[in-house]
Amino acid sequence: SQQGEEDPQALSIQEGENATMNCSYKTSINNLQWYRQNSGRGLVHLILIRSNEREKHSGRLRVTLDTSKKSSSLLITASRAADTASYFCATAPDNYGQNFVFGPGTRLSVLP
Amino acid sequence: SAVISQKPSRDICQRGTSLTIQCQVDSQVTMMFWYRQQPGQSLTLIATANQGSEATYESGFVIDKFPISRPNLTFSTLTVSNMSPEDSSIYLCSVVGIGGVNTEAFFGQGTRLTVV
Repeated sequence: SQQGEEDPQALSIQEGENATMNCSYKTSINNLQWYRQNSGRGLVHLILIRSNEREKHSGRLRVTLDTSKKSSSLLITASRAADTASYFCATAPDNYGQNFVFGPGTRLSVLP
Repeated sequence: SAVISQKPSRDICQRGTSLTIQCQVDSQVTMMFWYRQQPGQSLTLIATANQGSEATYESGFVIDKFPISRPNLTFSTLTVSNMSPEDSSIYLCSVVGIGGVNTEAFFGQGTRLTVV
């Protein structure tokens, strides 16, 4: 079952602008991960942030995690047309479970 | 990291028939996961395939509809049985690294199934 919600569901921006996507979840987590999916294909891992971390960077990506609010955000800076994709957050439980729970995703369109 | 080869990449099937999807991993893994992604939706876990034991199915999914095989540590199949148009989805197999959910998941390229 889905853990939480992502917003916005769809986002359209111009190339060069920043894109921010949010994810909320409901239960305690071990870590939270962000994935990207191009055109209904396989998912590609972008970044993992652990429950004891608050912020993480990877290239043009910046992820924040607020465990008190059970929320995370993904910021893509200086977006490019090639960033057009769906972005999903996935939470890993802290009860030694093995299953990720995926949010509903944000469809990002970056217009040239 | 892990490289996953999933096939077929897409298929169009008649209702009432079955389709078997194959997933091959380039390294040995304990668990393999099968997901369904309905049009415009997120991923929903169907089952976890363990080598040497029966798959563990999530609520709403049953073995008769989605039989799974796991003959060894690098291969698994998912069959979608007695298909109906509601089964039209993308089906994805996935594995996690040695650290389990403490590491990233790797995905096959998915099988886009259309049932007519």
